[in-house]
Amino acid sequence: ILNVEQSPQSLHVQEGDSTNFTCSFPSSNFYALHWYRWETAKSPEALFVMTLNGDEKKKGRISATLNTKEGYSYLYIKGSQPEDSATYLCAPHHSGYSTLTFGKGTMLLVSP
Amino acid sequence: DGGITQSPKYLFRKEGQNVTLSCEQNLNHDAMYWYRQDPGQGLRLIYYSQIVNDFQKGDIAEGYSVSREKKESFPLTVTSAQKNPTAFYLCASSSDAQETQYFGPGTRLLVL
Repeated sequence: ILNVEQSPQSLHVQEGDSTNFTCSFPSSNFYALHWYRWETAKSPEALFVMTLNGDEKKKGRISATLNTKEGYSYLYIKGSQPEDSATYLCAPHHSGYSTLTFGKGTMLLVSP
Repeated sequence: DGGITQSPKYLFRKEGQNVTLSCEQNLNHDAMYWYRQDPGQGLRLIYYSQIVNDFQKGDIAEGYSVSREKKESFPLTVTSAQKNPTAFYLCASSSDAQETQYFGPGTRLLVL
């Protein structure tokens, strides 16, 4: 089983705060990294797919960076809003593995 | 609308009973997946199928069975051999095993 670590496990911020969290994965045989957002009572939704070292993707106030050499990705949320409250999952895909491997997620709570 | 449907939303199982969870997709995706989520845990892969009439065990396949007779359908049976079936079950599909996965709304299974 591929070792995928997400930190922190949970995070509580105030509305307007910017925040970031980390996904770590083995750097060898890396192929792609997927980020998902999972809101309560909804299905996980894809945010980004990144493949190249140094990739940076942005969607509104949310952005992500990728470092394939050291095996990590950061997800940033600028000016958090209550509607950003969700669990954020990362899922790398490595050569030799048939499917994505999901991390346990970071649960974000944004208070008004 | 294209998407993934799962039924039922809630399912109750009696001791010694097999139950089947339904998953249907009309996205014309080749690959389909079943995950289990427990409190404090990430998504754990039960079974996946990359093509009709073929499927592979995931990380926690014991006590579960699947079939993939049609491209659109990937039902999961929770057998009496699964001693701790209470969990939230998510079905997903993707165009192939390396691409973004799209998730259904989930089924919560409870044991009476």
